[in-house]
Amino acid sequence: AQSVAQPEDQVNVAEGNPLTVKCTYSVSGNPYLFWYVQYPNRGLQFLLKYITGDNLVKGSYGFEAEFNKSQTSFHLKKPSALVSDSALYFCAVRDRDDYKLSFGAGTTVTVRA
Amino acid sequence: EAQVTQNPRYLITVTGKKLTVTCSQNMNHEYMSWYRQDPGLGLRQIYYSMNVEVTDKGDVPEGYKVSRKEKRNFPLILESPSPNQTSLYFCASRGQNYGYTFGSGTRLTVV
Repeated sequence: AQSVAQPEDQVNVAEGNPLTVKCTYSVSGNPYLFWYVQYPNRGLQFLLKYITGDNLVKGSYGFEAEFNKSQTSFHLKKPSALVSDSALYFCAVRDRDDYKLSFGAGTTVTVRA
Repeated sequence: EAQVTQNPRYLITVTGKKLTVTCSQNMNHEYMSWYRQDPGLGLRQIYYSMNVEVTDKGDVPEGYKVSRKEKRNFPLILESPSPNQTSLYFCASRGQNYGYTFGSGTRLTVV
């Protein structure tokens, strides 16, 4: 079985400060890892993915994430948050040998001006 | 434009009245899936389809049916909806680049 944990329901930061959204995962094999963002009344937008190779992955809107195999983590980061980054963020994992994509419960990010 | 199209976007219905949420993709993807999103629970998989005429249960299949008669379409059927099926539903398809494309969502309310 595979699972994702996002330990923080909410993250609050001031605009211009670094933003980190935490994610840990569990899969039986090798993972494919994803981050998605959902703005109010909108669908899911893809941010970035880790498939293989460099552990630091860069994605859309200045976001990046670091794959850490020993800690089974894939934390999302942005060096300088914007008010427009306020949204619901989901981490997701898929076993390399499976099609199913499993999601965490989501983390609501609020960036205050 | 490559996309997954769901309809309707919003639906209010009464308990027991059969309904269908349609999903169509124009990317020739073989794999399609339905999820429901509930606060604090994230997205949970309802059903998925590996290809035409091949479907299987996800984590929360009770009360739902699906069909895959052609590659582009993957409708979700609620034959007797109940209030606990009030949720936000997403259809998704998976391409060769490992990524998933999601529809815009269907907000269903069962009263």
